[in-house]
Amino acid sequence: KAGVTQTPRYLIKTRGQQVTLSCSPISGHRSVSWYQQTPGQGLQFLFEYFSETQRNKGNFPGRFSGRQFSNSRSEMNVSTLELGDSALYLCASSEQPHPNYGYTFGSGTRLTVV
Amino acid sequence: AQTVTQSQPEMSVQEAETVTLSCTYDTSESDYYLFWYKQPPSRQMILVIRQEAYKQQNATENRFSVNFQKAAKSFSLKISDSQLGDAAMYFCAYRIPNTGNQFYFGTGTSLTVIP
Repeated sequence: KAGVTQTPRYLIKTRGQQVTLSCSPISGHRSVSWYQQTPGQGLQFLFEYFSETQRNKGNFPGRFSGRQFSNSRSEMNVSTLELGDSALYLCASSEQPHPNYGYTFGSGTRLTVV
Repeated sequence: AQTVTQSQPEMSVQEAETVTLSCTYDTSESDYYLFWYKQPPSRQMILVIRQEAYKQQNATENRFSVNFQKAAKSFSLKISDSQLGDAAMYFCAYRIPNTGNQFYFGTGTSLTVIP
């Protein structure tokens, strides 16, 4: 079974640009969550999607948005990039949005904003 | 506020020895799940062990076991017979199914295994 696939693996963007990151969950998994990992703030929750609906959103500005498609693949978008958005973005997938179900993480997308 | 504290930023252990990583958390919820994740240089977060708060018995997975003290809100991870492949960043986390379901992570403990 293929794991959680995040693309691209690395990305360099200029301040003010926008970026879209992709996450393909494990086949059969309908729940996808996104996290931002930085040395200063650690791992912070961005949002969770289940069956194309956003179930929960973390405390991030409106520049951060996401969506989930009918095949459960998810994308997150960051507009008007700031230097502080440089981070590792991780996504995790699960069959159901409940801790009883195992969450599998991808290897992340490393975003650098210059 | 939901918080997780890992007071040991770095730890080291001799190969084949035992090491314990500490974790305390703070929540007023009664239904929650606790986790230890490992993040090697490959960046992928890998589940090490998980504990349901309603279970009194400590979880065990091969060389990994936890000491769950619910009243003290403590959830330490013991790694026995440490191997070189155990070297990684270890994160303690919990999830509360009734309030958003997201992971709340600690700041991590970097474990070095000395050959």
